[in-house]
Amino acid sequence: EAQVTQNPRYLITVTGKKLTVTCSQNMNHEYMSWYRQDPGLGLRQIYYSMNVEVTDKGDVPEGYKVSRKEKRNFPLILESPSPNQTSLYFCASSPSSGRYNEQFFGPGTRLTVL
Amino acid sequence: AQSVAQPEDQVNVAEGNPLTVKCTYSVSGNPYLFWYVQYPNRGLQFLLKYITGDNLVKGSYGFEAEFNKSQTSFHLKKPSALVSDSALYFCAVGDTGRRALTFGSGTRLQVQP
Repeated sequence: EAQVTQNPRYLITVTGKKLTVTCSQNMNHEYMSWYRQDPGLGLRQIYYSMNVEVTDKGDVPEGYKVSRKEKRNFPLILESPSPNQTSLYFCASSPSSGRYNEQFFGPGTRLTVL
Repeated sequence: AQSVAQPEDQVNVAEGNPLTVKCTYSVSGNPYLFWYVQYPNRGLQFLLKYITGDNLVKGSYGFEAEFNKSQTSFHLKKPSALVSDSALYFCAVGDTGRRALTFGSGTRLQVQP
């Protein structure tokens, strides 16, 4: 089944404890992206990747890192999480540039930083 | 900079009635417009998109959207609402000058039986 998977689905952590949220897609998509969803703000893009080893900042990249060493994986790294990073995170992928192609979204990761 | 506005936080409609969810946008170039739907505890699902061509776009689950360049709008419509259409709907826009989408804040659609 074609899908985007994220792990973990739920995570509660404490301020400053490094964490990684994994994202994997099995559709051989070039484009991958991370969003955060907050009430009243919709989805805001954190980082995106046009292909392996090519990443770029979205609208809200501060406090996040990403890497794209393999085409299928695009992990999101929070090196020193803070409470304002409590949010619902979505990974998405697309055959090519996300600006005019349908994006396929993962199920989401709900992160709480205490 | 590109932006999207969804002026209604919530839309309530009775089952069987037509529904409209509004979206207006601002871009510097030609727009690429999308509608996504989010059901509870799920990721977003693609409904439809406008890239070029016919201003009336048909999508999944009986939804359609009309692109209006002069009003910079891309409203989502359905002739007859179902209770199962109750969900959170997002409009998104991209343009030729940027490699990412900008999403609106979302509109919650509530269809009453």
